[in-house]
Formats: sequence, structure tokens, C-alpha cells
Amino acid sequence: GEDVEQSLFLSVREGDSSVINCTYTDSSSTYLYWYKQEPGAGLQLLTYIFSNMDMKQDQRLTVLLNKKDKHLSLRIADTQTGDSAIYFCAEKLDFNKFYFGSGTKLNVKP
Amino acid sequence: EAGVTQSPTHLIKTRGQQVTLRCSPISGHTSVYWYQQALGLGLQFLLWYDEGEERNRGNFPPRFSGRQFPNYSSELNVNALELEDSALYLCASSSRDINTEAFFGQGTRLTVV
Repeated sequence: GEDVEQSLFLSVREGDSSVINCTYTDSSSTYLYWYKQEPGAGLQLLTYIFSNMDMKQDQRLTVLLNKKDKHLSLRIADTQTGDSAIYFCAEKLDFNKFYFGSGTKLNVKP
Repeated sequence: EAGVTQSPTHLIKTRGQQVTLRCSPISGHTSVYWYQQALGLGLQFLLWYDEGEERNRGNFPPRFSGRQFPNYSSELNVNALELEDSALYLCASSSRDINTEAFFGQGTRLTVV
């Protein structure tokens, strides 16, 4: 549960799709989350997926969960410059335990 | 409903001094989490309190400590400040409801000079 890993950086061009990946180690996760952090601010919940789901779509966001491989991804379609931020994945275990990844800094080039 | 509030928003301290940061969770939330974020990079887990008890501690020296009060608010204390303690300190809260995510405050920006 403590090793939630993400790649540190991702750079894409405006209009392309972005895919941010995350791996976790605790199979007893109940919920998995994606948070967005804009410069100088706290983390805001972007979307989440319950652990018994494979996919969740919310407008431009698609979350894919592969429980067998303990892999979570966030796809942002038609990425905009306003999507530039740090994205954190997190897992929630029983009894309020949260583990956060180290964050992926997304840079969107015009 | 008020969100997670942290105070102060910014402060500047001198190396060797002590600092206390405060966090008020969302009403009804019993868990408070503290994180350190240096240089706008990853979150480093510091402390987790629930129902007044310390539940887990990250890999930080003992000069980082805290407590949670009966009203579930929390303090983070850092003694003998070092330059590398300069960071954004984020507090989050959650409840035991399995559906509840962690809600974050806006953070306290600590600069040690």
C-alpha cells in the first residue's frame, strides 16, 4: 500500500490526449483517486473509481483500472493548456488509510 | 460547508526556531493527515491522526511532531528548523465513511532562512 508510483513528468501538445499512469501495491484498495494540483494550491479531487470497476468516464476524463496488474491510468482527451498541473493518484484502504503517489507534472505545450 | 482550513497561509522562520502549523478538518471528519511538499514536487507523508491518536508516521525525524485535539483539529510542530524544511505543508481530512475521499486545505508555505 505504501508504494504508489507515478512517473514524474509528462509533456504533450495542446489537443493531444494525455495518459498518466500509476501503479499501486495493495490489492485491498477500496477506492482509487486522481487529484489535480494547480500551482501554489492544495489538491482538488478530479475523479475516482471504485475498486470493483474497470473503467469510468467523465467528460474528457477516462479512468482505467487493471486490478490484476494493480495499474491505474487517467486519460485526458483534447488536453488544454489549463490542464497543466501536477496529478496525483491515491488509494484508500480500510480504516481511512490513504496512500498517495509522488505526482506527475503535466506540461501542455501550445 | 467550510472546507479544510489551514493557518497561517505563509510564514518565514529562522533556522533553529520552532513553528506550529494548524489545521481544522471538515466538520464530521475524524482523520487528519499532514504532508510535506518541497519545491512543488511530490507529497511526502508526515503524520496521520484519527480520533485523537497517531495512526501512522512517515519517515521524518522526531523534531516533526503533532497532535489532534478532541474537536479533531490538529497541530504540526517542527522544532529546530532547518533550511530544507522550507516547503508547502498540506493538511487533509477524511471520515470513516468508505465513500469519502481526502479533502485538502490550501496549505501553509513555510520558508526557513
